[in-house]
Amino acid sequence: SSELTQDPAVSVALGQTVRITCQGDNLRNYYASWYQQKPGQAPVLVIYGKNNRPSGIPDRFSGSSSGNTDSLTIAGAQAEDEADYYCNSRDSSGDHLVFGGGTRLTVL
Amino acid sequence: EVQLVESGGGLVQPGGSLRLSCVASGFTFSSYWMHWVRQAPGKGLVWVSRLRSDGISTVYADSVKGRFTISRDNAKNTLYLQMNSLRADDTAVYYCAGAPDISSQLDHWGQGTLVTVSS
Repeated sequence: SSELTQDPAVSVALGQTVRITCQGDNLRNYYASWYQQKPGQAPVLVIYGKNNRPSGIPDRFSGSSSGNTDSLTIAGAQAEDEADYYCNSRDSSGDHLVFGGGTRLTVL
Repeated sequence: EVQLVESGGGLVQPGGSLRLSCVASGFTFSSYWMHWVRQAPGKGLVWVSRLRSDGISTVYADSVKGRFTISRDNAKNTLYLQMNSLRADDTAVYYCAGAPDISSQLDHWGQGTLVTVSS
């Protein structure tokens, strides 16, 4: 299997832009998907594929990819964006999934 | 409305067994690849297992291989996880989640069911 590495914690001022990164060798072959998880709740998919948002996800969320690093960008972060964010992708075998360790986003 | 509802969690002694269920509604369950993902208290998400839409192809994380079995009944829109030889480090909230294909795109999630392995 493969590993995905995320920064444990990131902070952003209200209304500013923040980028959360996910690094792993398998990201050279597969896009990451991104999930938002608030305390006591199930994860919610926010970005998948090259840069796709499920219905209902605000357009301030976007995704990008470069080499072995995928990124989730929140443009104009809101207080309600404060949450844990996880990336995942297929592993090097292509059969298993792997999650990053998660990034706790604090909106100041 | 899409719903995934897990059940079957609880307190079990080390070495014991549990079977989790996940009932789906609001989407075409039979065409979805279904997964189990777990989260230990205060920790991150960990992928556990995947079952292809036709119920034939299964894969498992190394940590549960040989102890857990994933299965589904498409006629009942239900996903299962049979967990045997449970250990303390299996303690977690277990989520079922669905993807439209082999990708990592888990677009439907249940609310989770807590499994506690303790004597």
